[in-house]
Amino acid sequence: GESVGLHLPTLSVQEGDNSIINCAYSNSASDYFIWYKQESGKGPQFIIDIRSNMDKRQGQRVTVLLNKTVKHLSLQIAATQPGDSAVYFCAETSAGGTSYGKLTFGQGTILTVHP
Amino acid sequence: DAGITQSPRHKVTETGTPVTLRCHQTENHRYMYWYRQDPGHGLRLIHYSYGVKDTDKGEVSDGYSVSRSKTEDFLLTLESATSSQTSVYFCAIRKTEVNTIYFGEGSWLTVV
Repeated sequence: GESVGLHLPTLSVQEGDNSIINCAYSNSASDYFIWYKQESGKGPQFIIDIRSNMDKRQGQRVTVLLNKTVKHLSLQIAATQPGDSAVYFCAETSAGGTSYGKLTFGQGTILTVHP
Repeated sequence: DAGITQSPRHKVTETGTPVTLRCHQTENHRYMYWYRQDPGHGLRLIHYSYGVKDTDKGEVSDGYSVSRSKTEDFLLTLESATSSQTSVYFCAIRKTEVNTIYFGEGSWLTVV
C-alpha cells in the first residue's frame, strides 16, 4: 500500500539551532497531514497539522511546509531545546468521511538535541 | 490532554489466552481508533469506530476484534494471543471540533 516515509532516521542538533525534519508521501489523494512528537514510553503528541489547500502553517516555534508538487512535508523547529528530543512522525490521511483518522505513518525521525 | 484512558497500561500474557484492552474517553467523541506500534513499522491502524456499534477494519486487523457498545468505551480483543501481537497499542480519538486526532498513552502487551 501507499505509505509516508522519512528521509532521515536520525538528526542531532545543538541547543538553540533550528531543526528541519523531512517527510515524503506517496498517496496523492492525501489531503491532511499531521506531525507528532513521541517521547519514550508515551503516546504520540500532536504538534501541528496542515491541509492540502495550504503551503505553510506556523505554530509556537514550529512551522510545517507542504510541497504538493513533489509530495514533500517538512517540520521546522526554531531554537531547538533539549526538551524537543524525541521521535517525530509525519502522518497523512484523507480528510473526508470515515477515512479521516485512518492515518498512515512514516517510520519516524529521532531528534537529539545536545546542550 | 485528550481525555483518553487506556487499560491496562502493561500486561504480560501467555500464548493462546484472550486479552482485552480498553480505551475510555470522557469527551463523547464519535470516532475512535486502535493502532499498534512496532519497531520498523511505525504506527498501523488495527480497527476503528465511527459510532456506537459501528466499526471497521484497518490495515492490520487479522487476529483482532473490537466492540463499541457505548460512546465512551472502545474495546480491542485478541481472541487467542500470539507472540506476533506483542506490541504497544495506542487508542486515538478524533476531536471533531478541531478535526484532528489525539492519542492515548499506550498499552504495552507482551505475549510469552
